[in-house]
Amino acid sequence: EDKVVQSPLSLVVHEGDTVTLNCSYEVTNFRSLLWYKQEKKAPTFLFMLTSSGIEKKSGRLSSILDKKELSSILNITATQTGDSAIYLCAVVMNYGGSQGNLIFGKGTKLSVKP
Amino acid sequence: DVKVTQSSRYLVKRTGEKVFLECVQDMDHENMFWYRQDPGLGLRLIYFSYDVKMKEKGDIPEGYSVSREKKERFSLILESASTNQTSMYLCASSLSSYTDTQYFGPGTRLTVL
Repeated sequence: EDKVVQSPLSLVVHEGDTVTLNCSYEVTNFRSLLWYKQEKKAPTFLFMLTSSGIEKKSGRLSSILDKKELSSILNITATQTGDSAIYLCAVVMNYGGSQGNLIFGKGTKLSVKP
Repeated sequence: DVKVTQSSRYLVKRTGEKVFLECVQDMDHENMFWYRQDPGLGLRLIYFSYDVKMKEKGDIPEGYSVSREKKERFSLILESASTNQTSMYLCASSLSSYTDTQYFGPGTRLTVL
């Protein structure tokens, strides 16, 4: 069965800390991996990763994919209270099967304390 | 910018009522999706559509149906709402089968009493 597992499920840190969120997957016909940030409403897109070892970076956020280990990490440096959110990892597969083409992990809830 | 809108942010319905949730995207996207999001379960795909009048079942289609009569609009229908359908419903769209990023609407929080 195709699945995406995120860890930890929740995390509490203080402002200025660096955090690493993990996403591992077991899917058929992997195509890409997506990271989303969800605050109070809709998930907003952060990164799409398709190639191993190539870091994507946006400000204090960065992410990298390891196809050999079937995993990805999302790093946030110098965390701020505005980073508090649920971070969702999703894996895109080629079409076929009941999941459509995208499976979400359950998310990591990050809380950043002042 | 891609814009995905949903007809209601909050809805309260009674058991047995027929419920329509509407989603509209303005970027000529081919693919549209309906998810529900529940604590501890994450996002689960209900139905998706890759073309007008085409639909495919997702993980949890039971108790739901969909309609896509126009490319920009994808409706989720609860024929007879039940309390276990109380949830956050999220609509998403993506450009085509060859693009992976899905853009989400703001969500509809449905409560069934």
